[in-house]
Amino acid sequence: DAKTTQPPSMDCAEGRAANLPCNHSTISGNEYVYWYRQIHSQGPQYIIHGLKNNETNEMASLIITEDRKSSTLILPHATLRDTAVYYCIVRVANAGNNRKLIWGLGTSLAVNP
Amino acid sequence: NAGVTQTPKFRILKIGQSMTLQCAQDMNHNYMYWYRQDPGMGLKLIYYSVGAGITDKGEVPNGYNVSRSTTEDFPLRLELAAPSQTSVYFCASSSVDRGGTEAFFGQGTRLTVV
Repeated sequence: DAKTTQPPSMDCAEGRAANLPCNHSTISGNEYVYWYRQIHSQGPQYIIHGLKNNETNEMASLIITEDRKSSTLILPHATLRDTAVYYCIVRVANAGNNRKLIWGLGTSLAVNP
Repeated sequence: NAGVTQTPKFRILKIGQSMTLQCAQDMNHNYMYWYRQDPGMGLKLIYYSVGAGITDKGEVPNGYNVSRSTTEDFPLRLELAAPSQTSVYFCASSSVDRGGTEAFFGQGTRLTVV
């Protein structure tokens, strides 16, 4: 699976958009980009995933560059409850049953009042 | 709908003791996973299962064992606990119908070995 690179930490003002970048320059054509977050001491929570088109759901938007070498997770109106570690994971959905997630260190996002 | 339930939430073990961390999911998911997370680090996969009766090693399986006799349950067994196994343990599950990677996590078991 391709390796991802994320900044270790970011700050964002409450109510503003939080834009979290992720580099995955070695991504393969069949690898998806997944985002999870982990609020302190809790289990990780799935946010969104995409292959090459931009995606949006009730939590966030995912913007993937045309060459797919990087992506940005956007929280449109960050709240204090969005303070968490955000993980960007690149993963191929194998034709077989071997599906695993490889986790890096993520980006620690602090939303400030 | 409970999702993924882990018990216990906290446990202190003495070196050499053994215990079983319980994990149950009520979503009829095929895949289940056990991860450990050391302070300030990402998650590391211990074992996983693609269905009842089928398990396989992950990245850090040494010192652990698992079984999957039913779709719902995926217990993790620690034999001869060591201080290096002090960590937070997360169980997760996912469905093959959704690509197998939108995983749902339990709230974790915080284990300390002294």
